[in-house]
Amino acid sequence: DAGVIQSPRHEVTEMGQEVTLRCKPISGHNSLFWYRQTMMRGLELLIYFNNNVPIDDSGMPEDRFSAKMPNASFSTLKIQPSEPRDSAVYFCASSLGRRDTEAFFGQGTRLTVV
Amino acid sequence: KNEVEQSPQNLTAQEGEFITINCSYSVGISALHWLQQHPGGGIVSLFMLSSGKKKHGRLIATINIQEKHSSLHITASHPRDSAVYICAVPGSSGDKLTFGTGTRLAVRP
Repeated sequence: DAGVIQSPRHEVTEMGQEVTLRCKPISGHNSLFWYRQTMMRGLELLIYFNNNVPIDDSGMPEDRFSAKMPNASFSTLKIQPSEPRDSAVYFCASSLGRRDTEAFFGQGTRLTVV
Repeated sequence: KNEVEQSPQNLTAQEGEFITINCSYSVGISALHWLQQHPGGGIVSLFMLSSGKKKHGRLIATINIQEKHSSLHITASHPRDSAVYICAVPGSSGDKLTFGTGTRLAVRP
């Protein structure tokens, strides 16, 4: 397996534009996590899915953020409209979904909103 | 919510030195994760442990569940070990992670 695949790797966009980040989890993994990393706050969980169902979205900062998982092999994180303070590295991770199993991270998407 | 603290925040070592990074957490857990983030940004899982000690190459992780403390050791450190090391603990349901602030390690040749 190629691991967790995220795209794009880098995204630069203007304030107000819609941004869509994509993630393909490892095949067979039942849980998918979206994390955001900033210098100020470190790594934070935004939302996670289990069997394609959102379980906890309490980390989603605002209504401008939305995430979907239409099937077991694909998830998106959308920001609309984007703001400069959304600039961060966004990581997707997946795991088997059982208690205390290892999480595998994608390479991340570095988002810059200007 | 589990509070996760790491120390030190920054660490500079000479090649060959023995390195220890510490992690403490506030709420009892069943397992703890150690992650490595290289300057390129990618995050790699190093260990997940629930008791005792695990070893992988020059890396050793220990955990004391009673004391709510874990350590990551690197023996014979090398410049390629330079990275940010992050400990993380799962929530009560055992899945989503709460992260420490990370320890930035620089190993000089």
